[in-house]
Amino acid sequence: AQSVTQPDIHITVSEGASLELRCNYSYGATPYLFWYVQSPGQGLQLLLKYFSGDTLVQGIKGFEAEFKRSQSSFNLRKPSVHWSDAAEYFCAVTGTASKLTFGTGTRLQVTL
Amino acid sequence: DVKVTQSSRYLVKRTGEKVFLECVQDMDHENMFWYRQDPGLGLRLIYFSYDVKMKEKGDIPEGYSVSREKKERFSLILESASTNQTSMYLCASSLSGSERAFFGQGTRLTVV
Repeated sequence: AQSVTQPDIHITVSEGASLELRCNYSYGATPYLFWYVQSPGQGLQLLLKYFSGDTLVQGIKGFEAEFKRSQSSFNLRKPSVHWSDAAEYFCAVTGTASKLTFGTGTRLQVTL
Repeated sequence: DVKVTQSSRYLVKRTGEKVFLECVQDMDHENMFWYRQDPGLGLRLIYFSYDVKMKEKGDIPEGYSVSREKKERFSLILESASTNQTSMYLCASSLSGSERAFFGQGTRLTVV
C-alpha cells in the first residue's frame, strides 16, 4: 500500500535560516510526488511537483525539492526562510492508479 | 482557475443523523477525492473516484459512503453520524494522477 511519512511533526527555524522538511514515501512504481502548504485558515496550495525528468524541482516562493529514488525521499528545501513561510506543509504521493495519499504534515514555526 | 465548491462551510448534526456533504468541480476533472483533516493526523483519504459511478475506498472508509452520478459532483454520505466523525472534510479534484489536485475550502462538521 502506498504511504507517506513526514517524520517531523513540528520544526522551528529562525528567519533567514535554511530549511529542510523531510518526506519519505512508499509506492510500488514510479511515483508522482507533491508538496502542498496550508496557512492558518487557508486552503492547500501547491508548492511543487515531481512526475519525471530532472530530480531537482523548483517551486513557488523559492522552494525546491529533490527526488531520491534510492532513498524513497522527496525532501523540501528553502535556502532562506521568511516569517510568512510559517504554515503546515504536506507531502503527497500518487501514481497511475490516481489514489492520492498525504503525509501527516510538518508544522513550521519561524522565529524573528 | 479551477473551482471546487463544497456546499457548506460549517455544519452541526446530531448523532445518528444521515449527513450529506456535496462537492462540485467545474473543470471536467476525472478524479475526485474526499479527505478528513484532524490535528496531528494530516489528510486521511476516505474515498476517491476516477470516473462517473466508479469509486475506490481510501484508508478510512468505515462509516462513510460516496456517490458520483455526474462527473462534476462527488457526494460524501455519513450513514449514521457519530461524534468521532466530527472533523474538517476536504474535497479535491484532479485531471489525472500526474496533475495537481485542487481543493475546496472545507466543511467543518460537528456531530453532537
